[in-house]
Amino acid sequence: EVQLVDSGGGLVKPGGSLRLSCAASGFTFIIYSMTWVRQAPGKGLEWVSSISSSSTYIYYADSVKGRFTISRDNAKNSLYLQMNSLRAEDTAVYYCVRDVWGPETSWGQGTLVTVSS
Amino acid sequence: QSVLTQPPSVSAAPGQKVTISCSESSSNIGNNYISWYQQLPGTAPKLLIYDNNKRPSGIPDRFSGSKSGTSATLGITGLQTGDEADYYCGTWDSSLSAGVFGGGTKLTVL
Repeated sequence: EVQLVDSGGGLVKPGGSLRLSCAASGFTFIIYSMTWVRQAPGKGLEWVSSISSSSTYIYYADSVKGRFTISRDNAKNSLYLQMNSLRAEDTAVYYCVRDVWGPETSWGQGTLVTVSS
Repeated sequence: QSVLTQPPSVSAAPGQKVTISCSESSSNIGNNYISWYQQLPGTAPKLLIYDNNKRPSGIPDRFSGSKSGTSATLGITGLQTGDEADYYCGTWDSSLSAGVFGGGTKLTVL
């Protein structure tokens, strides 16, 4: 069974840092591109960042460029999102997603990041 | 900046058909494949349509997708109360090297 388990969320002060993790199992992690998508409370989906299977290609939304860093460890079947200089507007549920545009899409359960003083 | 525009809400009666539009502000949609997601309250989104009109395995043929010019459409027939959810279109904009989602459409089954 394909599983993506998101973790690392929590409460952090503005300007602080947080590192999200996504543990993948049940599929060959190394062959899939992976993506982080976030959803602010009561709001829509926002694409955050994507990384290719071998980390050759990495892309960021303008809203997080220069502050967030996506990475993966294929030996550990894990995806990460290092978030620095956090702002109130970064408050959201963050989802780890396999093959976000399909057809073999799978989403994690999400982890909540709250940026507040 | 590529923007996908969806109506905030649509509604229809059980058993009826509804369509949800997704329009792009630039001409890039002609080169992009549209995906559609369903998000039930409190759950992660679920892929309904990819590559404009293809259904992943397990998605019933009540759900369909199409695209014409700069506009894509999700169709749902035989509406059920369980279809009440938020629906999002999305795409990888290759010209911007960025992903983008529409603002979402709330479907109410009256």
